[in-house]
Amino acid sequence: DVKVTQSSRYLVKRTGEKVFLECVQDMDHENMFWYRQDPGLGLRLIYFSYDVKMKEKGDIPEGYSVSREKKERFSLILESASTNQTSMYLCASSLVPKGNEQYFGPGTRLTVT
Amino acid sequence: QKEVEQNSGPLSVPEGAIASLNCTYSDRGSQSFFWYRQYSGKSPELIMFIYSNGDKEDGRFTAQLNKASQYVSLLIRDSQPSDSATYLCAVKIGGTSYGKLTFGQGTILTVHP
Repeated sequence: DVKVTQSSRYLVKRTGEKVFLECVQDMDHENMFWYRQDPGLGLRLIYFSYDVKMKEKGDIPEGYSVSREKKERFSLILESASTNQTSMYLCASSLVPKGNEQYFGPGTRLTVT
Repeated sequence: QKEVEQNSGPLSVPEGAIASLNCTYSDRGSQSFFWYRQYSGKSPELIMFIYSNGDKEDGRFTAQLNKASQYVSLLIRDSQPSDSATYLCAVKIGGTSYGKLTFGQGTILTVHP
């Protein structure tokens, strides 16, 4: 079974703090993704990575950066957290030679106060 | 026009009935189609994928794909209260890179006893 884990289920941070969200997958997947999910707005792609040190912007990259130093780990960084970044953050991974089905981690609910 | 659209719902069906969830997509080059189930407060869970025209059955779930009409549907037979969740349709749009999926907004399904 594919397993995607995220470092925290719940996180509370203050405005202006630098925030790191970690995601780890154990199935040697090439692709990894970061989404945020907000009521009424659905799943929105922030960034994705198709290989170590490779990344591409998604639909809403502003205010975020990412890091992928190892194949199994993909980090999302909020450089200076703001209240409008309060959201559910979901990490996913997928294997290229297969059908691109993505497997999600449990999510991190981030609150910025 | 949104790239992936789902019937807005919410959809309410009695226990034991067939629930029908629909999804249309705009790009004829779309290749792979996925259905995810998401319980409140949880992350999306892959339940079905389909690549070829026709039907694909897995237990009580049937995915139907019609590429000519550009729609994909999910039928849930003998619906149970435990099927109450948000169902997300996801599509790999033709020409998109690295396994990127486009998600619909989701349809909320309630199965009442």
